[in-house]
Amino acid sequence: QKEVEQNSGPLSVPEGAIASLNCTYSDRGSQSFFWYRQYSGKSPELIMSIYSNGDKEDGRFTAQLNKASQYVSLLIRDSQPSDSATYLCAAPLNTGGFKTIFGAGTRLFVKA
Amino acid sequence: DTAVSQTPKYLVTQMGNDKSIKCEQNLGHDTMYWYKQDSKKFLKIMFSYNNKELIINETVPNRFSPKSPDKAHLNLHINSLELGDSAVYFCASSQAIRDYGYTFGSGTRLTVV
Repeated sequence: QKEVEQNSGPLSVPEGAIASLNCTYSDRGSQSFFWYRQYSGKSPELIMSIYSNGDKEDGRFTAQLNKASQYVSLLIRDSQPSDSATYLCAAPLNTGGFKTIFGAGTRLFVKA
Repeated sequence: DTAVSQTPKYLVTQMGNDKSIKCEQNLGHDTMYWYKQDSKKFLKIMFSYNNKELIINETVPNRFSPKSPDKAHLNLHINSLELGDSAVYFCASSQAIRDYGYTFGSGTRLTVV
């Protein structure tokens, strides 16, 4: 059973701090990885994607990928209370891309 | 201009009833999905359709029957509803999933009483 694992949290950080969210995956064939943000009562929203080893930055968000360690992370710099949400890590399986496995999500609270 | 729209947003029904959820996307995507999110917020795939053809059926009870009349629409019919079917059901679509990820609908919160 292919899996994506995340610490469910909650992770609490003060406003302005860096929030670090982590994820591991089991399918070595997965080629791309995604981070979704889900506010309470809302649908998941894609915020970052990463395909190559290393870092990818987009505004206050940085995704990091290490395929050898099967590890993906998301850093949120200058965290804001509006970043408080559940963050889902996701990886399409290497089966033509029609099945994506989601982690259980990490709840992030940013305290003002 | 809603990209992926689902109806209804809320559905409350009694055990044993049959209900349908509709989904439409105007993004021109080839692939559509149904995901179930349980009370612990875990998103689990149910079905994947690519260009109207069923690709993934993730061991879902046959009380659940998806239908895709065209690649922009994916509906979900559920027969003989059970208490355990209570969850939020999300429709999603994608193009070149490996590059672009999913666009989700707003979800349908199904409560079976």
